[in-house]
Amino acid sequence: DQQVKQNSPSLSVQEGRISILNCDYTNSMFDYFLWYKKYPAEGPTFLISISSIKDKNEDGRFTVFLNKSAKHLSLHIVPSQPGDSAVYFCAASEENTGNQFYFGTGTSLTVIP
Amino acid sequence: GAVVSQHPSWVICKSGTSVKIECRSLDFQATTMFWYRQFPKQSLMLMATSNEGSKATYEQGVEKDKFLINHASLTLSTLTVTSAHPEDSSFYICSARDPRTSTYEQYFGPGTRLTVT
Repeated sequence: DQQVKQNSPSLSVQEGRISILNCDYTNSMFDYFLWYKKYPAEGPTFLISISSIKDKNEDGRFTVFLNKSAKHLSLHIVPSQPGDSAVYFCAASEENTGNQFYFGTGTSLTVIP
Repeated sequence: GAVVSQHPSWVICKSGTSVKIECRSLDFQATTMFWYRQFPKQSLMLMATSNEGSKATYEQGVEKDKFLINHASLTLSTLTVTSAHPEDSSFYICSARDPRTSTYEQYFGPGTRLTVT
């Protein structure tokens, strides 16, 4: 049972525009969320996180929004750059499970120059 | 950020043989490491949680006798795929949390591509 879902397998955006990647989860006990970026044949690298006590976290061009009532989070990248082209995974965790994370299926972002 | 390495990065083995994959935290000590598996175009699937000095905790559906995990020290966890079969071919990734930080970030290794022929 997939507890974290990314319903868009791919997304193409023009350079300079905003990229919006979406993620939904089913477990209401999840209280910590992260976004990872992954290139082919490499391990994921941490991008940005948000805890359930916040509804927004911003780091440079990256902003994550959390809507707890809808069990939905999104990652906004603005402006998008060609180097942002990668697969983006959202992940969720419940604090009491010892940092076990559940990953979405990923969204492949292509930023067109 | 913290660095996690994996070795080998790529391995081909014959069906029926065993393969060992190493995961090391290079600049921090990790009491807990995690092993993931990724199938093509699919999510990272948590296989097991590796605990230093004790038995690993396996996720439901993961065969503990097939995927042997040893966390012998605070900087090394190993995953041994025993009696490998072609369906075990996958991308295996380990991760660890840096206990020096107060966040829940996990630092991932670069992954190991296993191909069983």
